[in-house]
Amino acid sequence: DTEVTQTPKHLVMGMTNKKSLKCEQHMGHRAMYWYKQKAKKPPELMFVYSYEKLSINESVPSRFSPECPNSSLLNLHLHALQPEDSALYLCASSGLLQSNTEAFFGQGTRLTVV
Amino acid sequence: AQSVTQLGSHVSVSEGALVLLRCNYSSSVPPYLFWYVQYPNQGLQLLLKYTSAATLVKGINGFEAEFKKSETSFHLTKPSAHMSDAAEYFCAVTNRREYGNKLVFGAGTILRVKS
Repeated sequence: DTEVTQTPKHLVMGMTNKKSLKCEQHMGHRAMYWYKQKAKKPPELMFVYSYEKLSINESVPSRFSPECPNSSLLNLHLHALQPEDSALYLCASSGLLQSNTEAFFGQGTRLTVV
Repeated sequence: AQSVTQLGSHVSVSEGALVLLRCNYSSSVPPYLFWYVQYPNQGLQLLLKYTSAATLVKGINGFEAEFKKSETSFHLTKPSAHMSDAAEYFCAVTNRREYGNKLVFGAGTILRVKS
C-alpha cells in the first residue's frame, strides 16, 4: 500500500477561521512532509517531520502550525490565513534509508481563503 | 544548493510518437533524482527514481530515464505516447538526509498528446 490519505479534499475558510488539514500514511515511513503548490507552479516544501520531530521549517509564517501526533499522522493547523495562502496543500511521506528515499504524495487539499 | 531545470514548459506530441522531456540538475553531491506526474487537481505520482544504482531507470507506464553525470541530465522518455499521458511532469532532486529529504522541483513540463 503506497497510499497517503489527505482530508478534506476541499476547504473554504474565512480569514478569521481556524481549521486543520489531516494526513495519514501506513507505509511505516518515518518522515512526513507538507508542501504548498500555487497554481501553475511546482510544489514548495513547508515542513519536514522525522521520527515525529520537526526537522525542517522553511521559514513558514506562524499562521501555519504543523503537528505530528504519531508516526502515521500529520496535521497542519491553519489560523488567520490570508487570501494569498489559497493553494493546493500536499502531504507526503518517505523513508530515511537509501533504499526508500522516494516521497509518496497524497491527493492534496485545495484550500481557498476568502 | 541544488536546482533542477526543465527545458520546455510545454511539449506537444502525436499519439504513438516518442516522448522526450528534458531535465538538467545541479548538485554539489551525488543526487537522488525523481520524475513525478501530476494530473489536474490531483497529487503527484512517482514515475521513477535514480538513487546511484543503474543509470538507466525504468518506471511505471512505460517511462524510463537515463542518468548522465557528464551532462548533468536526467531526461524522461517513452517510446510511444498515449492520450492518457497528457499531464504535467516534474523532475525533482534531493540529497538524502537522516532527518528528511527536501525535494527541489523543476518548473514542470505540460505534455499534450494529439490524436
